Amino acid sequence: NAGVTQTPKFQVLKTGQSMTLQCAQDMNHNSMYWYRQDPGMGLRLIYYSASEGTTDKGEVPNGYNVSRLNKREFSLRLESAAPSQTSVYFCASSFDLNTEAFFGQGTRLTVV
Amino acid sequence: QQQVKQSPQSLIVQKGGISIINCAYENTAFDYFPWYQQFPGKGPALLIAIRPDVSEKKEGRFTISFNKSAKQFSLHIMDSQPGDSATYFCAAFSSNDYKLSFGAGTTVTVRA
Repeated sequence: NAGVTQTPKFQVLKTGQSMTLQCAQDMNHNSMYWYRQDPGMGLRLIYYSASEGTTDKGEVPNGYNVSRLNKREFSLRLESAAPSQTSVYFCASSFDLNTEAFFGQGTRLTVV
Repeated sequence: QQQVKQSPQSLIVQKGGISIINCAYENTAFDYFPWYQQFPGKGPALLIAIRPDVSEKKEGRFTISFNKSAKQFSLHIMDSQPGDSATYFCAAFSSNDYKLSFGAGTTVTVRA
């Protein structure tokens, strides 16, 4: 039972490069989320998708874009990476916006 | 600006001791208060949660105490074990906007 799977697990980017973080869930959940985790800041919501076909901004959306490709997959794109985007990124999913979220194992991204 | 303030940042406790983590909030729209446990290299996982109509909830060695008038809640880990060594996040959820706000996290180390 995979749950929420994120790829890659680690990534180093140069400033200005772009990349897409992939997330897939196999729990038939409707809602999916992207968070970033920084020391002393907890987790902060970047974007979320309440259901297939919808996406909304979270607390810290600047510099990111998302795509809800289908019910299973929700990707996060950095168009022009900046050192301030060095962080650990977590994807999560839940049956709906009112139920428990399950988290992936994270992607550690370093922008140099 | 963090909507949920968590303390302490870290704590060390002897095996068999009690770990106490405190959180405070201002937004009275919060109506669900979960705690997450995160082991190194893993995503957060829901540990225990409480709604504001209850003053205390206990699950095994983990207890949440909730003080609605003071807008504070805390996690007590009784008979702490080395396997409890992890980072703990408090969070607050509002069903008005479906947003989950996290505290900054507390790293708990249980010494054998």
